[in-house]
Amino acid sequence: EVQLVQSGAEVKKPGESLKIFCKGSGDNFANLWIAWVRQMPGRGLEWLGIIYPADSDTRYSPSFQGQVTISADKSINTAYLQWSSLKASDTAIYYCARQSLSMFGDYYYAMDVWGQGTTVTVSS
Amino acid sequence: HSVLTQPPSVSGAPGQRVTISCTGNSSNIGATYDVHWYQQLPGTAPKLLIYGNINRPSGVPDRFSASKSGTSASLAITGLQAEDEADYYCQSYDSSLSASVFGGGTKLTVL
Repeated sequence: EVQLVQSGAEVKKPGESLKIFCKGSGDNFANLWIAWVRQMPGRGLEWLGIIYPADSDTRYSPSFQGQVTISADKSINTAYLQWSSLKASDTAIYYCARQSLSMFGDYYYAMDVWGQGTTVTVSS
Repeated sequence: HSVLTQPPSVSGAPGQRVTISCTGNSSNIGATYDVHWYQQLPGTAPKLLIYGNINRPSGVPDRFSASKSGTSASLAITGLQAEDEADYYCQSYDSSLSASVFGGGTKLTVL
């Protein structure tokens, strides 16, 4: 059973860059779809996007396109979420999760394995 | 605001039954995309509770059940226990966004 372990908490200043990671156990990581989910303080869950590490096929929610970059390195079973210039409004917990596809592979399905979350705090 | 609409809060006494609704539209739930439910205990990552509208992953008690009809879905919890106090989220796919979408979440309080 795959497990997802995320990088530790980060405290950054506005304008700084950041790259957090999600490392999977097991030898089938490349063939999993890995999603990123944001939870702002006291708020609900928001889906940022998803990546297929085997070929780095990446899709973004329209709300987050251009705001973050999702990438992966299948050789080390790791997915990444990065920002080039952080804003205070990026303060949140970020989760990675394994997301399956529907039976016919035509849409994103449920997220059944979650990382522990990475807390990102952006403050001057 | 969230694409899927949930009540902000529900409550019930131990042993009672509560339901949580999740309302979408013709681009998501109404377009026959499946609905999934997550439980988030305080300070922890979300946990998959129901997938494919009605299915429970191994280990989820049968006190949790769900249904879907038209543009809405519903999660029911029977025999409420103190440990059920958590936030609950519905999730589906939206074809107009080509993205997964969540409800705003519902906080369950066990009185």
